[in-house]
Amino acid sequence: GAGVSQSPSNKVTEKGKDVELRCDPISGHTALYWYRQSLGQGLEFLIYFQGNSAPDKSGLPSDRFSAERTGGSVSTLTIQRTQQEDSAVYLCASREARADTQYFGPGTRLTVL
Amino acid sequence: AQSVTQPDIHITVSEGASLELRCNYSYGATPYLFWYVQSPGQGLQLLLKYFSGDTLVQGIKGFEAEFKRSQSSFNLRKPSVHWSDAAEYFCAVGAGAGYALNFGKGTSLLVTP
Repeated sequence: GAGVSQSPSNKVTEKGKDVELRCDPISGHTALYWYRQSLGQGLEFLIYFQGNSAPDKSGLPSDRFSAERTGGSVSTLTIQRTQQEDSAVYLCASREARADTQYFGPGTRLTVL
Repeated sequence: AQSVTQPDIHITVSEGASLELRCNYSYGATPYLFWYVQSPGQGLQLLLKYFSGDTLVQGIKGFEAEFKRSQSSFNLRKPSVHWSDAAEYFCAVGAGAGYALNFGKGTSLLVTP
């Protein structure tokens, strides 16, 4: 079956612009995660959605970062007023409700000039 | 606070030789432990996981890992490495109801002929 998909695969933007990154989880997976992978910080958890519950935003690095999940499926990660330190690969993962394994998408490489 | 340490940033092994990648964790409760592999330009793929029970777990691609509570370790092993195993390996701890992953910094594996 189809895996987790993310778009765009690459995004180049200018400092100060807003960007939106999209994640399509595996069909039927109720849990969705965003992570960030950068050279300096490694892999970091950003935010977690589970069904209709309030998301766990404990990993978001600043209030410039936000995410939403519409209809319990597609998720969008928004970064406002991008900074050069936001340059990273943003990974999305999804998981079935009663399972323990997260399946990762290929990521979106964000470059802030 | 929970943390995951992978002491070796880079490891080089000859093809056919055995491999052990180290992972140490710091976590208050019984951890949920994972090993993921990331090949160049690819997403993260789960190799194996440990939640409870038998402390020696088998994974895909001939990998295994052993959970040692007394040493707070979850080392990954393979008896005979193949050139295709060259990749970045990440140890992770899953925490909370959502199993949000806390990753180590990763170990880059180079396989020589």
